[in-house]
Amino acid sequence: DGGITQSPKYLFRKEGQNVTLSCEQNLNHDAMYWYRQDPGQGLRLIYYSQIVNDFQKGDIAEGYSVSREKKESFPLTVTSAQKNPTAFYLCASSLAGTSGFTDTQYFGPGTRLTVL
Amino acid sequence: AQKVTQAQTEISVVEKEDVTLDCVYETRDTTYYLFWYKQPPSGELVFLIRRNSFDEQNEISGRYSWNFQKSTSSFNFTITASQVVDSAVYFCALSEATGNQFYFGTGTSLTVIP
Repeated sequence: DGGITQSPKYLFRKEGQNVTLSCEQNLNHDAMYWYRQDPGQGLRLIYYSQIVNDFQKGDIAEGYSVSREKKESFPLTVTSAQKNPTAFYLCASSLAGTSGFTDTQYFGPGTRLTVL
Repeated sequence: AQKVTQAQTEISVVEKEDVTLDCVYETRDTTYYLFWYKQPPSGELVFLIRRNSFDEQNEISGRYSWNFQKSTSSFNFTITASQVVDSAVYFCALSEATGNQFYFGTGTSLTVIP
């Protein structure tokens, strides 16, 4: 089945630790995105990538890092510099990449991160 | 600047009632796209519809319908004969024609009471 997978579903982290969230897609989409969702708020863009080996900061990139070494994978690292990392993290992908035209974003099931 | 407003934070309806979720947007672009997504308790956002700014025809898909009015910058979503499975958070989103950036509203939490 084609889709987007995120792992793990739940993640617990101690303060001061870095943690990496996985996102994989087999839709052959060029673009991938990471969003953060807090209760009562909409989705906020952390990072996005339109093509392999390239990515751009979103609205709230501080304290996060990403890589895009393969088309299928876009892992997100939440570093110890992120002051309030407890949130629900959603990964998405879309067909259009560097063509510039906006395409529908499809989402994974999310990872809920809790800092203890 | 792009902005999406979903003024209804929470709505409760009794099963089989009709319900309309409001979405108002702001943009200076003449070409843009509007979306609705459903987020059930499991958390995944499910894509429902995409509309471009040049197509103001209303759309119906089963019990779902969408009313797009450029004159009022609104893209409202109506569920007819609501069911318990419709209980979810619904997000409206706006994107420019190019650039892949989405702007989400804060969502409307719908509870359908059996």
